[in-house]
Amino acid sequence: EVVMTQSPATLSVSPGERATLSCRASQSVSNNVAWYQQKPGQAPTLLIHTASTRATGIPARFSASGSGTEFTLTISSLQSEDFAVYYCQQYNNWPPLTFGGGTKVEIK
Amino acid sequence: QVQLVESGGGVVQPGTSLRLSCEASGFTFRTYDMHWVRQAPGKGPEWVALILYDGSNTYYADSVKGRFTISRDDSKNTLYLQMSSLRPEDTALYYCARARIRGYTYSYAYWGQGALVTVSS
Repeated sequence: EVVMTQSPATLSVSPGERATLSCRASQSVSNNVAWYQQKPGQAPTLLIHTASTRATGIPARFSASGSGTEFTLTISSLQSEDFAVYYCQQYNNWPPLTFGGGTKVEIK
Repeated sequence: QVQLVESGGGVVQPGTSLRLSCEASGFTFRTYDMHWVRQAPGKGPEWVALILYDGSNTYYADSVKGRFTISRDDSKNTLYLQMSSLRPEDTALYYCARARIRGYTYSYAYWGQGALVTVSS
């Protein structure tokens, strides 16, 4: 099973600042990684697929990079609506498909 | 537009059974692989099960293998999850999910609103 490890668990950021979230896979998953945003009481929303491609309708302030075992999600200038929990997920080696434990982005 | 609507959740005792349903609309259901993903309170998502578009293969997380069965009825555009021998650790919000595109690239662009399953004595 591929274990996805996210860091940090919590990130305190001021509005307008940049946020950088990390995700590490326990073995290579090529570029088959997705990132999701989840707000309280809502299902996750797909932000990024194929490690670096924004999903339909996702603002350009969200960018991502990585391949193999190291992945990064960057939010260039945090807006109020971006404070949420973010998850990475791999879909290269399955079953099982696996998610990271999440990074909570909170207001500083 | 793609819609996924789960139903069938509830409060049940340990050891009992429950069946979840997910009614799909807005796309050609019979041509897509379909998944169940669950999320325990305060935890991250956990993939549960996958059924291929033609029902030829099913896959399960080890935590549910032998207890849960995923199935589909393409005539009704409906996905099912039959859960038996339920345990307290199965307590979660269960989502029906569809990948962004056909094929084995399972990033989930579409999620239902979830069905809450609580297993408690």
